[in-house]
Amino acid sequence: DSGVTQTPKHLITATGQRVTLRCSPRSGDLSVYWYQQSLDQGLQFLIQYYNGEERAKGNILERFSAQQFPDLHSELNLSSLELGDSALYFCASSQRDRGLRHDNEQFFGPGTRLTVL
Amino acid sequence: DAKTTQPNSMESNEEEPVHLPCNHSTISGTDYIHWYRQLPSQGPEYVIHGLTSNVNNRMASLAIAEDRKSSTLILHRATLRDAAVYYCILRDLMDSNYQLIWGAGTKLIIKP
Repeated sequence: DSGVTQTPKHLITATGQRVTLRCSPRSGDLSVYWYQQSLDQGLQFLIQYYNGEERAKGNILERFSAQQFPDLHSELNLSSLELGDSALYFCASSQRDRGLRHDNEQFFGPGTRLTVL
Repeated sequence: DAKTTQPNSMESNEEEPVHLPCNHSTISGTDYIHWYRQLPSQGPEYVIHGLTSNVNNRMASLAIAEDRKSSTLILHRATLRDAAVYYCILRDLMDSNYQLIWGAGTKLIIKP
């Protein structure tokens, strides 16, 4: 158990709909990262928050947005869903974000499996 | 972009050492090299990371080439539980963004 929790575990929805994925980081971790993993693919970095502020942005679609709340939990909002958005969505957390080029260890949650029909 | 290149898959026998290579020829001087692995149906888990010197921990060893253009993750005695996809990743700076670039990973198959 990494200490990172994600809800829900599974989500089945229809095209055009909007969903919210939730992540609670490990106690004391200030950074939260979101990743997308399509079937048999590697992880695609979406976005990182540090202590409530956006820190890094990857190939996140405009239909997707995220935020980190004062209690440090994070939500990933996916809207106007398409079939291709079906994937595993992972959240990870780390203690801090030290310096420009160094990350400390990331702890991953179990993921949310999103199926868009 | 600082990117990594890994073999798609490797096989090894149980209880033998495994050497997983990673090439990162465009690595910058302050990029850290991280290794994670993903067991089937699980989220990735941290294995090890380093900057210049070789590193050891309870899970594995990381050997970094002197020019830092490649590294090797060493599992000293592979078990069936080590069967996973192993990812070599770098922290990359692009303009004002900080991309986390994950390689395609190496699928490690352990034969009993």
